[in-house]
Amino acid sequence: KAGVTQTPRYLIKTRGQQVTLSCSPISGHRSVSWYQQTPGQGLQFLFEYFSETQRNKGNFPGRFSGRQFSNSRSEMNVSTLELGDSALYLCASSSDGPGAKQFFGPGTRLTVL
Amino acid sequence: AQTVTQSQPEMSVQEAETVTLSCTYDTSESDYYLFWYKQPPSRQMILVIRQEAYKQQNATENRFSVNFQKAAKSFSLKISDSQLGDAAMYFCAYRKGGNKLVFGAGTILRVKS
Repeated sequence: KAGVTQTPRYLIKTRGQQVTLSCSPISGHRSVSWYQQTPGQGLQFLFEYFSETQRNKGNFPGRFSGRQFSNSRSEMNVSTLELGDSALYLCASSSDGPGAKQFFGPGTRLTVL
Repeated sequence: AQTVTQSQPEMSVQEAETVTLSCTYDTSESDYYLFWYKQPPSRQMILVIRQEAYKQQNATENRFSVNFQKAAKSFSLKISDSQLGDAAMYFCAYRKGGNKLVFGAGTILRVKS
């Protein structure tokens, strides 16, 4: 099976702009989770989508949003970008079930200037 | 809220030797999952090992094994016969429900030849 893919791999934006990141999960996986990784805050959970519904949400401002499509692909959007949004954004997919393993994509490196 | 603590920012090991990475966590739950992830310089997060809290037996995956002490809320990773390819950042993570992972700050592992 193909792994988790994320596009684009690199992005450069300026403050105030908005950005959309995409994640395609492993075939058959219906859960997609998003994480932000920064040197200062480490790895932080953004949100999880399962069957097109947000199932869990982390402690991020409303500028961060996401959605999931019927084919389980997910997008996350960040509006009104701030310098502090510069980070590696990782998505992970898994099948459902309490012990399901999560598999991560290669990440999207976002730089906000 | 659950927290995960990795008290060793950096560790070094000689090739072919054994190293142990420490992790403690705080939770009031009795049923949960613990994970070790590896993040090499490529930034791809790779699942190393998973432990179910309800299982007393420590998980093993080839050269990787854990020492899970539920009462002490401790979850250490032992890497035997260390190889150059083991050099990476290692993250300990906790998961209770859904697919929200709570990560520790990470431990950089350096392998000396």
